[in-house]
Amino acid sequence: ETGVTQSPTHLIKTRGQQVTLRCSSQSGHNTVSWYQQALGQGPQFIFQYYREEENGRGNFPPRFSGLQFPNYSSELNVNALELDDSALYLCASSTTGGDTGELFFGEGSRLTVL
Amino acid sequence: QKEVEQNSGPLSVPEGAIASLNCTYSDRGSQSFFWYRQYSGKSPELIMFIYSNGDKEDGRFTAQLNKASQYVSLLIRDSQPSDSATYLCAVNVRGFGNEKLTFGTGTRLTIIP
Repeated sequence: ETGVTQSPTHLIKTRGQQVTLRCSSQSGHNTVSWYQQALGQGPQFIFQYYREEENGRGNFPPRFSGLQFPNYSSELNVNALELDDSALYLCASSTTGGDTGELFFGEGSRLTVL
Repeated sequence: QKEVEQNSGPLSVPEGAIASLNCTYSDRGSQSFFWYRQYSGKSPELIMFIYSNGDKEDGRFTAQLNKASQYVSLLIRDSQPSDSATYLCAVNVRGFGNEKLTFGTGTRLTIIP
Protein backbone atom coordinates (compact mmCIF):
# COMPACT_ATOMS: atom_id res chain seq x y z
CA GLU A 1 0.00 0.00 0.00
CA THR A 2 1.41 3.35 -1.05
CA GLY A 3 -1.15 5.59 0.64
CA VAL A 4 -2.19 7.01 -2.74
CA THR A 5 -5.88 6.52 -3.42
CA GLN A 6 -7.71 6.94 -6.70
CA SER A 7 -11.37 6.98 -7.67
CA PRO A 8 -13.25 5.61 -9.39
CA THR A 9 -11.46 2.33 -9.95
CA HIS A 10 -13.37 1.47 -13.12
CA LEU A 11 -15.62 3.47 -15.38
CA ILE A 12 -17.16 3.26 -18.82
CA LYS A 13 -17.86 6.30 -20.98
CA THR A 14 -18.91 6.88 -24.55
CA ARG A 15 -17.01 8.80 -27.18
CA GLY A 16 -17.40 12.57 -26.82
CA GLN A 17 -18.20 12.49 -23.12
CA GLN A 18 -16.12 14.03 -20.36
CA VAL A 19 -14.54 12.30 -17.37
CA THR A 20 -13.03 13.38 -14.05
CA LEU A 21 -10.64 11.16 -12.14
CA ARG A 22 -9.56 11.86 -8.58
CA CYS A 23 -6.44 11.22 -6.56
CA SER A 24 -5.42 11.68 -2.93
CA SER A 25 -1.69 11.81 -2.45
CA GLN A 26 0.35 10.10 0.22
CA SER A 27 0.67 12.06 3.45
CA GLY A 28 3.61 14.46 3.30
CA HIS A 29 3.83 14.44 -0.50
CA ASN A 30 3.35 17.78 -2.27
CA THR A 31 3.52 16.70 -5.91
CA VAL A 32 1.11 14.69 -7.99
CA SER A 33 1.84 13.25 -11.42
CA TRP A 34 -0.61 11.59 -13.80
CA TYR A 35 0.26 8.81 -16.19
CA GLN A 36 -1.69 6.98 -18.90
CA GLN A 37 -0.98 3.30 -19.42
CA ALA A 38 -2.49 1.70 -22.49
CA LEU A 39 -2.75 -2.07 -22.62
CA GLY A 40 0.65 -3.68 -23.14
CA GLN A 41 2.51 -0.39 -22.85
CA GLY A 42 4.50 1.40 -20.19
CA PRO A 43 2.97 4.39 -18.41
CA GLN A 44 3.19 7.70 -20.30
CA PHE A 45 3.59 10.98 -18.46
CA ILE A 46 0.58 13.29 -18.84
CA PHE A 47 1.44 16.13 -16.44
CA GLN A 48 2.58 16.98 -12.96
CA TYR A 49 1.15 19.37 -10.37
CA TYR A 50 3.10 21.16 -7.66
CA ARG A 51 1.76 23.93 -5.45
CA GLU A 52 -1.53 23.83 -7.35
CA GLU A 53 0.11 24.63 -10.68
CA GLU A 54 0.98 22.49 -13.67
CA ASN A 55 4.69 21.78 -13.47
CA GLY A 56 5.46 19.95 -16.68
CA ARG A 57 3.42 18.28 -19.36
CA GLY A 58 3.91 15.33 -21.66
CA ASN A 59 2.72 14.94 -25.23
CA PHE A 60 -1.01 15.09 -24.53
CA PRO A 61 -3.57 17.47 -26.10
CA PRO A 62 -5.22 20.31 -24.16
CA ARG A 63 -8.40 18.29 -23.66
CA PHE A 64 -6.40 16.60 -20.89
CA SER A 65 -6.40 19.02 -17.97
CA GLY A 66 -5.93 18.87 -14.25
CA LEU A 67 -6.15 20.54 -10.90
CA GLN A 68 -4.35 20.29 -7.61
CA PHE A 69 -5.99 21.39 -4.39
CA PRO A 70 -4.46 22.94 -1.25
CA ASN A 71 -4.46 19.52 0.44
CA TYR A 72 -2.36 18.23 -2.52
CA SER A 73 -5.13 16.03 -3.88
CA SER A 74 -5.66 16.23 -7.61
CA GLU A 75 -8.10 15.73 -10.47
CA LEU A 76 -7.55 14.70 -14.06
CA ASN A 77 -10.19 15.85 -16.53
CA VAL A 78 -10.49 14.56 -20.07
CA ASN A 79 -12.92 16.23 -22.47
CA ALA A 80 -14.27 14.96 -25.78
CA LEU A 81 -13.30 11.37 -25.05
CA GLU A 82 -11.88 9.30 -27.89
CA LEU A 83 -11.66 5.53 -28.19
CA ASP A 84 -7.86 5.71 -27.77
CA ASP A 85 -8.32 7.28 -24.35
CA SER A 86 -9.21 3.82 -23.05
CA ALA A 87 -6.42 3.05 -20.60
CA LEU A 88 -5.38 2.75 -16.99
CA TYR A 89 -4.84 6.22 -15.51
CA LEU A 90 -2.29 6.25 -12.76
CA CYS A 91 -1.75 8.93 -10.18
CA ALA A 92 1.60 9.10 -8.42
CA SER A 93 2.68 11.27 -5.54
CA SER A 94 6.16 12.40 -4.62
CA THR A 95 8.08 15.14 -2.88
CA THR A 96 9.56 17.79 -5.12
CA GLY A 97 12.86 19.13 -3.93
CA GLY A 98 13.69 15.87 -2.22
CA ASP A 99 15.08 12.91 -4.12
CA THR A 100 15.15 12.71 -7.88
CA GLY A 101 11.62 11.61 -8.44
CA GLU A 102 10.73 8.44 -6.57
CA LEU A 103 7.06 7.96 -7.32
CA PHE A 104 4.40 6.17 -5.35
CA PHE A 105 1.53 5.01 -7.52
CA GLY A 106 -2.11 4.54 -6.70
CA GLU A 107 -4.02 1.52 -7.98
CA GLY A 108 -5.31 3.44 -10.97
CA SER A 109 -8.59 4.22 -12.65
CA ARG A 110 -9.41 2.01 -15.60
CA LEU A 111 -11.30 3.95 -18.23
CA THR A 112 -13.11 2.28 -21.11
CA VAL A 113 -14.41 4.48 -23.90
CA LEU A 114 -17.06 2.92 -26.16
CA GLN B 1 14.63 5.45 -31.50
CA LYS B 2 12.57 4.98 -28.37
CA GLU B 3 13.73 6.91 -25.32
CA VAL B 4 13.74 3.77 -23.14
CA GLU B 5 13.94 0.34 -24.71
CA GLN B 6 13.32 -3.04 -23.17
CA ASN B 7 12.90 -6.51 -24.57
CA SER B 8 9.18 -7.18 -24.18
CA GLY B 9 9.73 -10.88 -23.55
CA PRO B 10 8.24 -13.05 -22.34
CA LEU B 11 11.31 -14.14 -20.42
CA SER B 12 11.01 -17.55 -18.78
CA VAL B 13 13.39 -18.50 -15.96
CA PRO B 14 13.40 -21.64 -13.80
CA GLU B 15 12.70 -21.20 -10.12
CA GLY B 16 15.91 -20.61 -8.19
CA ALA B 17 17.84 -19.31 -11.20
CA ILE B 18 18.98 -15.74 -11.92
CA ALA B 19 16.70 -13.56 -14.01
CA SER B 20 18.42 -10.82 -15.99
CA LEU B 21 16.43 -7.86 -17.31
CA ASN B 22 17.96 -5.23 -19.57
CA CYS B 23 17.17 -1.67 -20.56
CA THR B 24 18.81 0.96 -22.76
CA TYR B 25 18.06 4.67 -22.86
CA SER B 26 18.76 7.35 -25.42
CA ASP B 27 19.24 10.58 -23.44
CA ARG B 28 22.79 10.95 -22.11
CA GLY B 29 21.52 13.64 -19.74
CA SER B 30 19.50 11.06 -17.80
CA GLN B 31 20.46 11.06 -14.16
CA SER B 32 18.27 8.57 -12.31
CA PHE B 33 17.09 5.11 -13.16
CA PHE B 34 14.29 3.06 -11.72
CA TRP B 35 12.95 -0.46 -11.89
CA TYR B 36 9.26 -0.97 -11.21
CA ARG B 37 7.42 -4.27 -10.92
CA GLN B 38 3.84 -4.49 -12.14
CA TYR B 39 1.60 -7.46 -11.49
CA SER B 40 -1.21 -8.04 -13.92
CA GLY B 41 -4.05 -5.62 -13.24
CA LYS B 42 -2.10 -3.74 -10.58
CA SER B 43 -0.15 -0.50 -10.47
CA PRO B 44 3.66 -0.27 -10.72
CA GLU B 45 5.63 -0.61 -7.49
CA LEU B 46 9.20 0.57 -7.07
CA ILE B 47 11.83 -2.15 -6.63
CA MET B 48 15.13 -0.35 -7.07
CA PHE B 49 16.58 2.98 -8.05
CA ILE B 50 20.16 3.72 -9.00
CA TYR B 51 21.92 7.00 -9.66
CA SER B 52 25.61 6.12 -9.96
CA ASN B 53 27.58 3.84 -12.24
CA GLY B 54 28.12 0.37 -10.87
CA ASP B 55 26.03 -2.08 -8.90
CA LYS B 56 23.45 -1.56 -6.19
CA GLU B 57 22.18 -4.53 -4.23
CA ASP B 58 18.99 -4.88 -2.20
CA GLY B 59 18.21 -8.38 -1.02
CA ARG B 60 17.76 -10.65 -4.03
CA PHE B 61 17.79 -7.69 -6.42
CA THR B 62 20.82 -6.03 -8.00
CA ALA B 63 20.61 -3.00 -10.28
CA GLN B 64 23.51 -2.26 -12.60
CA LEU B 65 24.14 1.05 -14.35
CA ASN B 66 26.60 1.87 -17.12
CA LYS B 67 26.11 5.48 -18.22
CA ALA B 68 28.81 5.27 -20.90
CA SER B 69 26.87 2.47 -22.60
CA GLN B 70 23.48 3.97 -21.62
CA TYR B 71 22.52 0.62 -20.15
CA VAL B 72 20.66 -0.41 -17.01
CA SER B 73 19.97 -3.93 -15.85
CA LEU B 74 18.18 -5.72 -13.04
CA LEU B 75 19.27 -9.09 -11.73
CA ILE B 76 16.95 -11.20 -9.60
CA ARG B 77 18.72 -13.98 -7.74
CA ASP B 78 17.00 -17.13 -6.49
CA SER B 79 13.93 -16.37 -8.61
CA GLN B 80 10.59 -17.19 -7.04
CA PRO B 81 7.20 -17.75 -8.70
CA SER B 82 6.06 -14.54 -6.95
CA ASP B 83 8.60 -12.66 -9.09
CA SER B 84 6.48 -13.39 -12.17
CA ALA B 85 5.38 -9.93 -13.33
CA THR B 86 6.15 -7.21 -15.85
CA TYR B 87 9.27 -5.22 -15.03
CA LEU B 88 9.33 -1.61 -16.15
CA CYS B 89 12.53 0.36 -16.59
CA ALA B 90 12.13 4.11 -16.09
CA VAL B 91 14.45 7.05 -16.52
CA ASN B 92 14.18 10.45 -14.88
CA VAL B 93 15.50 13.60 -16.51
CA ARG B 94 15.48 16.59 -14.27
CA GLY B 95 14.86 19.97 -15.85
CA PHE B 96 14.07 23.25 -14.16
CA GLY B 97 11.63 21.93 -11.59
CA ASN B 98 10.21 19.60 -14.20
CA GLU B 99 10.51 15.98 -13.21
CA LYS B 100 8.99 13.12 -15.09
CA LEU B 101 9.64 9.43 -15.65
CA THR B 102 9.94 7.96 -19.10
CA PHE B 103 9.05 4.28 -19.02
CA GLY B 104 9.93 1.43 -21.31
CA THR B 105 7.21 -0.93 -22.45
CA GLY B 106 8.24 -3.51 -19.86
CA THR B 107 9.59 -7.07 -19.89
CA ARG B 108 7.21 -9.83 -18.91
CA LEU B 109 8.99 -12.31 -16.65
CA THR B 110 7.67 -15.79 -15.87
CA ILE B 111 9.31 -17.95 -13.21
CA ILE B 112 8.75 -21.62 -13.92
CA PRO B 113 8.34 -23.80 -10.79
